[in-house]
Amino acid sequence: GAVVSQHPSRVICKSGTSVKIECRSLDFQATTMFWYRQFPKQSLMLMATSNEGSKATYEQGVEKDKFLINHASLTLSTLTVTSAHPEDSSFYICSASAKLAGRRNYEQYFGPGTRLTVT
Amino acid sequence: DAKTTQPPSMDCAEGRAANLPCNHSTISGNEYVYWYRQIHSQGPQYIIHGLKNNETNEMASLIITEDRKSSTLILPHATLRDTAVYYCIVRPVGSQGNLIFGKGTKLSVKP
Repeated sequence: GAVVSQHPSRVICKSGTSVKIECRSLDFQATTMFWYRQFPKQSLMLMATSNEGSKATYEQGVEKDKFLINHASLTLSTLTVTSAHPEDSSFYICSASAKLAGRRNYEQYFGPGTRLTVT
Repeated sequence: DAKTTQPPSMDCAEGRAANLPCNHSTISGNEYVYWYRQIHSQGPQYIIHGLKNNETNEMASLIITEDRKSSTLILPHATLRDTAVYYCIVRPVGSQGNLIFGKGTKLSVKP
């Protein structure tokens, strides 16, 4: 249980175009999802917190108009990278937060990641 | 959240136990110790977590010192597939917030 999927797993786009990444919780509902970014040989850095039905909260230094987040349902959050540039090339990872039956705490369940390459 | 300190890298021979240390000297009484790992180009994978007592599951064992200022993750019989970056994370009990990842330990299991 507690599976999170991301689509696509990898994408190549041209500079100036937009690309959408989907994050789905397949067998549970999540009111909160998190988006992380990971550059080569670096750790995961939180970009934004996505709450169902409300505006996302962005971390300092992350442009909200460039990284559009939509959390339209309890099982789906999307991240759209608008007007992508080569420096946006990175590994984007989402996680879904839930307190599943039998568990004492809210846990985070991670997706497999999306490799974005902007040419 | 309390900070953690881990060695940047470790090697382990295949079939031997891998013992990964983590210092969290500023941990408070209501903070868990979590361990995740990330295999190259994949999302993080939960391993184990604990509060005070030692814990064991099908993947690993977690040994937490009595003063809770450090812990050790033990992979009893490391395989090549255990090569990954291992993250030790401290997280408040009841938290619904994000996880804060440090640099972790790159474990290389060698044949």
